[in-house]
Amino acid sequence: QSALTQPASVSGSPGQSITISCTGTSNDVGAYNSVSWYQQRPGQAPKLTIYDVSNRPSGVSARFSGSRSGNTASLTISGVQAEDEADYYCSSYTRINTRVFGGGTKLTVL
Amino acid sequence: EVHLVESGGGFVQPGGSLRLSCAASGFTFNTYGMNWVRQAPGKGLEWVSEISSTGSTIYYADSAKGRFTISRDNAKNSLYLQMNSLRDEDTALYFCARELTAAGFDYWGRGTLVTVSS
Repeated sequence: QSALTQPASVSGSPGQSITISCTGTSNDVGAYNSVSWYQQRPGQAPKLTIYDVSNRPSGVSARFSGSRSGNTASLTISGVQAEDEADYYCSSYTRINTRVFGGGTKLTVL
Repeated sequence: EVHLVESGGGFVQPGGSLRLSCAASGFTFNTYGMNWVRQAPGKGLEWVSEISSTGSTIYYADSAKGRFTISRDNAKNSLYLQMNSLRDEDTALYFCARELTAAGFDYWGRGTLVTVSS
């Protein structure tokens, strides 16, 4: 099972909106409404940020939103803040009942 | 409050074995699927295995199939990962994670480090 494709890095100035893409195939991202996003700060465990493509867990800022078009999912952070600087990973359920992660995207807030 | 605490990591030579444990508290353990996810030093996340709430359904990543065995003891609120025939590339921080949805893991432990080296 190949990893999902994410850009290695993205950056933005405070207040800007940024989008991170996550490209898979019709066997994973495009197959089910089972795409999630995680935020991971250095030395910490991943934190669920978006699940089932576009749902936010309780306590996650409304500045985070998710979407999907075909085999590509996206995470958008509206009005990025310094505290959002972290690594972001997408994940998808697959047709063979496994899960697959993306390679991760490092977000730098300028 | 939900807590997941991994243990059992350590240093092992190639070909050796380790058994990881994950102690769960703060929720009804026997109603949630559980997963192991690992992260090699400086690398990204890699899903390893999933076990259903009752233990009746189990899935593995190709990298774990045939070498790793996931199990759970709902009476002890514990999750396990038996790892055999360990390789250098199994060196990683191993997290246990609670499954909210098919690919959404809502609670994670802090991880236990496994180092495989001669």
